[in-house]
Amino acid sequence: AQKITQTQPGMFVQEKEAVTLDCTYDTSDQSYGLFWYKQPSSGEMIFLIYQGSYDEQNATEGRYSLNFQKARKSANLVISASQLGDSAMYFCAMREGAGGTSYGKLTFGQGTILTVHP
Amino acid sequence: GAGVSQSPRYKVAKRGQDVALRCDPISGHVSLFWYQQALGQGPEFLTYFQNEAQLDKSGLPSDRFFAERPEGSVSTLKIQRTQQEDSAVYLCASSGTRAVSSPLHFGNGTRLTVT
Repeated sequence: AQKITQTQPGMFVQEKEAVTLDCTYDTSDQSYGLFWYKQPSSGEMIFLIYQGSYDEQNATEGRYSLNFQKARKSANLVISASQLGDSAMYFCAMREGAGGTSYGKLTFGQGTILTVHP
Repeated sequence: GAGVSQSPRYKVAKRGQDVALRCDPISGHVSLFWYQQALGQGPEFLTYFQNEAQLDKSGLPSDRFFAERPEGSVSTLKIQRTQQEDSAVYLCASSGTRAVSSPLHFGNGTRLTVT
């Protein structure tokens, strides 16, 4: 079974600084996808970034980058130049590939609350 | 609209009542998911459709929970004889394909409160 672990219940960062949110995962599948989502206090779930298990380059999307270390099964999110609007809950998630018993299913971690201080 | 639409936005039910939650996915999206999210927690998987076929319902907590997607578009999550522990936000999501690279797009959720 898949498992996603986010060990930081809460993180604080100063505005304009960079912050890393940790995520480790456990799977026996070779094909899978890793995602990060942002959930502000308003409740909507916003897709941020995707990394495929076969991708050799780390994914980047604007101020977001994913530090993918496959051998360590980690997929940390790096947010550069933090802004006040980045304050939210962040979820790491994994989507199982065709070789798995639950092909297509997305499983979430417990989340990290990020607070950006001015 | 272009996004996933859920209704109602809020639902208050007395314990023992039946409720029905609706999800309108993004047009053309074949995969549809239901999640349950308790306050301060990550979304927990409930069930998953590919078109009208329910491929995985392993996350449904009891036989009081039932989901359907009869024509492969709109989906309804029904909870019978609601209990207080059913109080949560219910999120619906859709994706264009089943591929690992296809992100899920979420609706704003239905907040269910059972009194």
